[in-house]
Amino acid sequence: GQQLNQSPQSMFIQEGEDVSMNCTSSSIFNTWLWYKQDPGEGPVLLIALYKAGELTSNGRLTAQFGITRKDSFLNISASIPSDVGIYFCAGPIYGGATNKLNFGTGTLLAVQP
Amino acid sequence: ETGVTQSPTHLIKTRGQQVTLRCSSQSGHNTVSWYQQALGQGPQFIFQYYREEENGRGNFPPRFSGLQFPNYSSELNVNALELDDSALYLCASSSPSGSYEQYFGPGTRLTVT
Repeated sequence: GQQLNQSPQSMFIQEGEDVSMNCTSSSIFNTWLWYKQDPGEGPVLLIALYKAGELTSNGRLTAQFGITRKDSFLNISASIPSDVGIYFCAGPIYGGATNKLNFGTGTLLAVQP
Repeated sequence: ETGVTQSPTHLIKTRGQQVTLRCSSQSGHNTVSWYQQALGQGPQFIFQYYREEENGRGNFPPRFSGLQFPNYSSELNVNALELDDSALYLCASSSPSGSYEQYFGPGTRLTVT
C-alpha cells in the first residue's frame, strides 16, 4: 500500500502558539483528508482537500494540498487545550475504484495551558 | 442526522474464540468500511461493503469476514482470535456521492487474552 509519513511525530507547545505539521507520500494522491483522534475515540474529519494547490480553512485550522500532489500541510493557529490529540492525514489507496483510505503515522499534539 | 454507531464499546475474548462487532452507518450513507487500529498506529483498512457486497479488502486473512444488511448496517466477524487481534476496530461510513470523505464511529476496543 501507499506509505504516508507524518512529521513531526509529536509536538509539545504552549497554549496560544501556532502549529504546523505535514504529510508526505511516495505516490500521488487525488484527495487529502485530515482527521483528529482523541484517546479511545474514532477519528473526526477536519478538512478535505481535492485539488493540487487548494488551501482550505475550518475555523483555526488551515490545510493545503501540495502542488506535487505528494504532500499536504495542516496548520492550527492560536492553539487551545482542546486541540490535544493525534492528527492523521489520509488518502485513497490507488488501484481501486472505491474510497478506501490509507492513513499516515500520526502527529501527537500536546498543548500546555 | 444520526452519526455512525458501534457496539459493543469494549470486549474481552480468549484466544481461539470468535467475535462479532456491529456498526450502524450514518443516515444516507450506503458504504461501510472497517479498520483495525493497533495501539500507537494509524487505522489499517480491513474491507469495505457497498450494496451488501464486499467492495475491496486490505491485507487481512480470511478469518476476518463481514456482512452488510439492506439497511446499510454492517458486521465484522473475526474467527480463531489471536493475541495480535487486540486493537480498536473502527467502522466508517460514506455517501454514494463518490467523495472520499469517511465518517468514523467511536470504535470497539477488543482485547484478546
